[in-house]
Amino acid sequence: KAGVTQTPRYLIKTRGQQVTLSCSPISGHRSVSWYQQTPGQGLQFLFEYFSETQRNKGNFPGRFSGRQFSNSRSEMNVSTLELGDSALYLCASSLELGNYGYTFGSGTRLTVV
Amino acid sequence: AQSVTQLDSQVPVFEEAPVELRCNYSSSVSVYLFWYVQYPNQGLQLLLKYLSGSTLVKGINGFEAEFNKSQTSFHLRKPSVHISDTAEYFCAVSYSGGYQKVTFGIGTKLQVIP
Repeated sequence: KAGVTQTPRYLIKTRGQQVTLSCSPISGHRSVSWYQQTPGQGLQFLFEYFSETQRNKGNFPGRFSGRQFSNSRSEMNVSTLELGDSALYLCASSLELGNYGYTFGSGTRLTVV
Repeated sequence: AQSVTQLDSQVPVFEEAPVELRCNYSSSVSVYLFWYVQYPNQGLQLLLKYLSGSTLVKGINGFEAEFNKSQTSFHLRKPSVHISDTAEYFCAVSYSGGYQKVTFGIGTKLQVIP
C-alpha cells in the first residue's frame, strides 16, 4: 500500500511569505503528526491531529497552524516566514492515537531566503 | 517532561564489527520506546519498538534493543554492521497510558567504515 505522501518535496520562500504543506497518510491511518527537523534542534513536535481534531500541540508560535480533513489528509501552514523556519518538515501517520509507532513521509524541505 | 538522551552524536565502526548506540530516557512512569533510522534525504523508518512484554526487542535489518527499566535505557545493538547501515538513528519515547506526544533524541550518526 502507498506510504505517507508529502508535497511538495522542496520549497523556497522569502521572508514574510506564508506556506502550506500537505500530507496524505497511509490509507486507514487516522492520526497525523507533524515534526520540524533541523540540524541543531533535532525533531521538534509541532502538532498531532486525529479525527479532524488537534489532540496535542508543541511549543511553536501561533504562526504555525494545521488542520486535518475528513479523509485524514492534513495540511500545515506557516505564516510570516522567518529565516529560522528553514527546516525539513516531516509528517507521520499512525493507525490510532496511542503512539504505537509512526510511519513517516519523506518530508518537505523548506528554505526561507 | 519526558526527555531522551542519545549519548553519542557520531559512532564510526568498521564493517562487520558489532555496534551499540546508546539511549537513556527520563521518566518515572511506564513508557513506550522506539528506534528509528533515517537515510539521507528520506523520512524516518521504524526499526523496532518496546510497548510491553519481553525486554529484548528484535527489529528489522538485524537490529535489536534491550529495555532496562532500572537504568532507564534502551540501547540499540547489531552484531555485525554493513555499509548499508550508514544512517542516522533516533531513539524516541512516549508515556504509556493515555495519550502523549512522542519525544525524539537528537540522533546518532552511524558511519560504517569499509
